[in-house]
Amino acid sequence: GQQVMQIPQYQHVQEGEDFTTYCNSSTTLSNIQWYKQRPGGHPVFLIQLVKSGEVKKQKRLTFQFGEAKKNSSLHITATQTTDVGTYFCAGPFPHASGGSYIPTFGRGTSLIVHP
Amino acid sequence: KAGVTQTPRYLIKTRGQQVTLSCSPISGHRSVSWYQQTPGQGLQFLFEYFSETQRNKGNFPGRFSGRQFSNSRSEMNVSTLELGDSALYLCASSPRTSGNNEQFFGPGTRLTVL
Repeated sequence: GQQVMQIPQYQHVQEGEDFTTYCNSSTTLSNIQWYKQRPGGHPVFLIQLVKSGEVKKQKRLTFQFGEAKKNSSLHITATQTTDVGTYFCAGPFPHASGGSYIPTFGRGTSLIVHP
Repeated sequence: KAGVTQTPRYLIKTRGQQVTLSCSPISGHRSVSWYQQTPGQGLQFLFEYFSETQRNKGNFPGRFSGRQFSNSRSEMNVSTLELGDSALYLCASSPRTSGNNEQFFGPGTRLTVL
């Protein structure tokens, strides 16, 4: 089953409104990364969170890692049309056969910003 | 530094054929990972190579294979193509320094299987 759940799947906002996407893991993660993929483009690394309860900011973007290290969120303040894209979270999950961890991505949240 | 490059960018094949995709990582990066991206399954990890050795493998059949050369360039091969193999194949390189899992993705190869 899906090990990393991201909600919502889509989000329409008016330019200037805030946006939040949530990432929930079925297991405790050692770290979590966030990526952005523009339409027709490829994923671009945004940030990595490692510590329990960690909060990091990048201009209008705020990233948070939950206390239990099983959930994370990305919040964008006052969205702009340049924020359009799909935002993915990713973390290392134990391989089914055991012994290793494989990078596992959520399905992403597609942000549509209306001018 | 130049980014990750992938060739070809687009490819059309028919069922039963095989295909080889190529990836050149960022200079100095020794880790190369491959992913398959489809609308139905999202981004799925195929395998990772580090210093010419497969370091990790996802849950894909043996028809999917890869290798890495001494200059860190990597290739992936898919044999006996199926319609369901149509996807965007992304390569990502990483410096793989301690605690840093940042990956730099290439533009991808769009594979269509007819």
